[in-house]
Amino acid sequence: AQSVTQPDIHITVSEGASLELRCNYSYGATPYLFWYVQSPGQGLQLLLKYFSGDTLVQGIKGFEAEFKRSQSSFNLRKPSVHWSDAAEYFCAVLNTGFQKLVFGTGTRLLVSP
Amino acid sequence: GAVVSQHPSWVICKSGTSVKIECRSLDFQATTMFWYRQFPKQSLMLMATSNEGSKATYEQGVEKDKFLINHASLTLSTLTVTSAHPEDSSFYICSAQSGTSGSYEQYFGPGTRLTVT
Repeated sequence: AQSVTQPDIHITVSEGASLELRCNYSYGATPYLFWYVQSPGQGLQLLLKYFSGDTLVQGIKGFEAEFKRSQSSFNLRKPSVHWSDAAEYFCAVLNTGFQKLVFGTGTRLLVSP
Repeated sequence: GAVVSQHPSWVICKSGTSVKIECRSLDFQATTMFWYRQFPKQSLMLMATSNEGSKATYEQGVEKDKFLINHASLTLSTLTVTSAHPEDSSFYICSAQSGTSGSYEQYFGPGTRLTVT
């Protein structure tokens, strides 16, 4: 069965510092991968997605993610974090057979001044 | 584009009553809509998948008689929590997927917070 692991429950980063959120997936075929951000009490906003092609994907708000098949990873990065980036981040893999998204448990990002 | 709305954004109801949550795709036709439930500080759990004009497909462990889903049109799906109890209190999020071939992206609504007293 497909699964997504986000090993870090929460991360604290200083404003202006770089960020990397880890995501590992388990999926038999070529994965369709997503990163979403959720602000408190809000729905999910898509940051970026990977379907195929260039393994370095650019997203909104200055985020990028790199797909590494050999490591079954799809880590999210940002070179300089802003206080407004504090939120919950979810990695997800799409089960294309059933059109279902399988979410990781999320990583809560805290930004310190 | 690709905006999904939910109504209401929050609702409080008494135990034993039913509450309906609407999910609308505002600027596209959604052949498939999904309903998720999210507990505090936890991930999203898929409850059911609904295709326009057909019965919803529920995930294992989700009571179909308690969580009634109707997808009557290409822009509207509703989730009715019947005979609600305090344990049904949660954040409910819908998403919609367009009918475009090969489009797997889901667009999420802002969520509805249900509190059952």
